[in-house]
Amino acid sequence: GAVVSQHPSRVICKSGTSVKIECRSLDFQATTMFWYRQFPKQSLMLMATSNEGSKATYEQGVEKDKFLINHASLTLSTLTVTSAHPEDSSFYICSAPDRSTGELFFGEGSRLTVL
Amino acid sequence: AQSVTQLGSHVSVSEGALVLLRCNYSSSVPPYLFWYVQYPNQGLQLLLKYTTGATLVKGINGFEAEFKKSETSFHLTKPSAHMSDAAEYFCAVSESSGNTPLVFGKGTRLSVIA
Repeated sequence: GAVVSQHPSRVICKSGTSVKIECRSLDFQATTMFWYRQFPKQSLMLMATSNEGSKATYEQGVEKDKFLINHASLTLSTLTVTSAHPEDSSFYICSAPDRSTGELFFGEGSRLTVL
Repeated sequence: AQSVTQLGSHVSVSEGALVLLRCNYSSSVPPYLFWYVQYPNQGLQLLLKYTTGATLVKGINGFEAEFKKSETSFHLTKPSAHMSDAAEYFCAVSESSGNTPLVFGKGTRLSVIA
């Protein structure tokens, strides 16, 4: 079946560095992908919607210059956390709807730890 | 705007007992409703979803949920809890079956006692 793959699944970085997380739809095309953030023992909060070939749409309160989103192709969206700080440590999850069927699939998540 | 309220951040049941996880939603348009399960440090797994049609929805692992428009509810049930059901459960609402983002509830942690 359709799968959404995230990479890396875990990443540890030093404060001030940038980290890129990839979200790939493996056997379907997605013109839109959704990025969520989940703090420990909390719910998933929508950060932004990436759109293939155009700018991402960010939710209120999410810094677009800090969380750079690029949707370069119909199967790949990337989230770059720039100048990461410990408070950016979180579980980041992407989801993508199959543009043919509309069915929504979630990635396995990426755990970011900033030291 | 849409929202989801999950009553009870933590539910504990005995193995073999009925599982009932409550979810109420708010939506200005006909809702699409979902239940997901999340195991520690993992992504989300879809248990079931309601789009249109039959209001009683059967999902995986013996779970089911009933859409009650009059009560704006979509409670999740399972007749007999298993130890492997211990996890975090999220109810979510959307304006479509997939092309719009989901709005999640805060989650309910289910513990199963032997």
